[in-house]
Amino acid sequence: DVQMTHFPSTLSASVGDRVTITCRASRSISTWMAWYQQKPGKAPILLIYRASSLKNGVPSRFSGSGSGTDFTLTISNLQPDDFATYYCQHYRSDSSSFGQGTRLEIK
Amino acid sequence: QVQLVESGGGVVQPEKSLRLSCVASGFPLRSYGMHWVRRAPGRGLEWVAGTSYDGNDKHYTDSVKGRFIVSRDNSKNTLYLQMNRLRSDDTAVYYCAKARTGGMDAFDFWGPGTMVTVSS
Repeated sequence: DVQMTHFPSTLSASVGDRVTITCRASRSISTWMAWYQQKPGKAPILLIYRASSLKNGVPSRFSGSGSGTDFTLTISNLQPDDFATYYCQHYRSDSSSFGQGTRLEIK
Repeated sequence: QVQLVESGGGVVQPEKSLRLSCVASGFPLRSYGMHWVRRAPGRGLEWVAGTSYDGNDKHYTDSVKGRFIVSRDNSKNTLYLQMNRLRSDDTAVYYCAKARTGGMDAFDFWGPGTMVTVSS
């Protein structure tokens, strides 16, 4: 199975900052990568699929990039609503795996 | 609008069984892959099982193979997860999630989740 590892595990930032979260796959996964946001007590929300495609309705300050083993989620101009936990997900035809998550907290 | 609502969670003893249901509305269930994802207390998300749009392909994470069965009834707009021989490490919030396409893909809509607690 492909293992997904987030860097960093926790990130402190301020409103208006630009932040980058990295996810590394244990082997090449092309662009079969998605990013989700989850807040306490709520279901996850899809932000990005196929590594860089923004889901309809998601603000354009969220962007994704990468291919192979290294992927990034960038959030520009952080808003108060963006402080949450973010997960990367690898998916393929017969399985899926999530990273352990990155918690984005207010500095 | 797309809605997914899980039910069937609760407190159950180890080695017992439980069946979760997920009723879908706002989209044609028969066209999309559907999956179960869980989050154990203090831990991250874990994909559990999934089924293709027609139910012909089913896949499971290793820790539930041989114990859990995913199924769907497209005529009833419902996804199921039959959980047998439950263990304490199955304790989690279980979410059903809709795939973007007919099989495995990113999960574009999720239900609010149902809590399963395995305890004696």
